[in-house]
Amino acid sequence: DTAVSQTPKYLVTQMGNDKSIKCEQNLGHDTMYWYKQDSKKFLKIMFSYNNKELIINETVPNRFSPKSPDKAHLNLHINSLELGDSAVYFCASSRGTSSNTGELFFGEGSRLTVL
Amino acid sequence: GENVEQHPSTLSVQEGDSAVIKCTYSDSASNYFPWYKQELGKRPQLIIDIRSNVGEKKDQRIAVTLNKTAKHFSLHITETQPEDSAVYFCAANFGNEKLTFGTGTRLTIIP
Repeated sequence: DTAVSQTPKYLVTQMGNDKSIKCEQNLGHDTMYWYKQDSKKFLKIMFSYNNKELIINETVPNRFSPKSPDKAHLNLHINSLELGDSAVYFCASSRGTSSNTGELFFGEGSRLTVL
Repeated sequence: GENVEQHPSTLSVQEGDSAVIKCTYSDSASNYFPWYKQELGKRPQLIIDIRSNVGEKKDQRIAVTLNKTAKHFSLHITETQPEDSAVYFCAANFGNEKLTFGTGTRLTIIP
């Protein structure tokens, strides 16, 4: 009964391929996020959805497309993968829409390696 | 801009000593300041947070202080133990939706 689960945990692929990472939360939270953590451990927000609506869209290449079929799921699709996309991608969720409503619950991360 | 600066980037302390990590933020409207701990290969997890209506908060061996005038906040860990070794991230909220993280501090406790 993992609170925030994401799949796959590891993904190794060639440049130019398209891949997806899936995320599900069973906490009943309204808001879900994708964060990217690079090799220097910097944690940067990419997207945020509240009740299936996009509310944060950082400066991310449009090769990255999030999709939220319902408020418990937020998937990330990446087209034409590049070497610089190699990172750990964390899904997270929180209660409410405001960034000050409390704890972010992170998934275990999906380590993407582009060769 | 939306900036959170964190120092130091690495910190080594003897077991039993105290560790202090400092962060500054750019937006005077920020009102929520959490700290996350990330152990090697694991997910970040909230360890303590503070809101702008208080200046200090303590939870056992960890404490956070906030100076709103100077726009900085600090994490204090006392009586450090080997299990405190991890990467620590501060964060601050910007606007109503965005939580921005600092660049992280790798804390190593030397037995």
